[in-house]
Amino acid sequence: EVQLEQSGAEVKKPGESLKISCKGSGYIFTSYWIGWVRQMPDKGLEWMAIIYPGDSDTRYSPSFRGQVTISADKSINTAYLHWTSLKASDTAMYYCTRLRIVGTTRYFDYWGLGTLVTVSS
Amino acid sequence: QSVLTQPPSVSAAPGQKVTISCSGSSSNIGNNYVSWYQQFPGTAPKLLIYDNDKRPSGIPDRFSGSKSGTSATLGITGLQTGDEAAYYCGTWDSSLSAMVFGGGTKLTVL
Repeated sequence: EVQLEQSGAEVKKPGESLKISCKGSGYIFTSYWIGWVRQMPDKGLEWMAIIYPGDSDTRYSPSFRGQVTISADKSINTAYLHWTSLKASDTAMYYCTRLRIVGTTRYFDYWGLGTLVTVSS
Repeated sequence: QSVLTQPPSVSAAPGQKVTISCSGSSSNIGNNYVSWYQQFPGTAPKLLIYDNDKRPSGIPDRFSGSKSGTSATLGITGLQTGDEAAYYCGTWDSSLSAMVFGGGTKLTVL
């Protein structure tokens, strides 16, 4: 059974750094793209970034490039999302999700439960 | 402002049918496959439809998807109160080189 286990909720102050994690299990971690989707309070879904753990190839949404860093440690089947300096506007739920790419088709087939990040002074 | 346009809300009575539209352009829906996601309040999204019209294992055939040109539609028949959720369309945008979503549609079963 495919599972994406995300790290717990975080409360941070503006300017602080943060790294959240997502551990994949039940599938070959290095063979699928994995990424992050943001959902701000009472808003819709926004794709942020993806990584292919097999070779660490990364892709970023233009909206998030330079704002966050995605990485992965294939030795422990874990992907990460990192901020160096949080802002109040980073307050949101962050979902880890596996991106299935088959030819020209792309869709998010499995989702983690989400990591709530609250940034407040 | 989302790249894909969905109605903010739709409603229908139990047992009825409802459709949710998703409008895009040639750089996204027009030349790429569409997927749909269901999200109950306070929970993670779940894949409902992929490749325009395919259902993952375990998704009832009350849910269907279709695509024509630069628009896609999600259909739900035999509505149940348990279908009340937000529904999002998604696809790849070749111009942005990004996965994009619609703004979401909240379904109310009256």
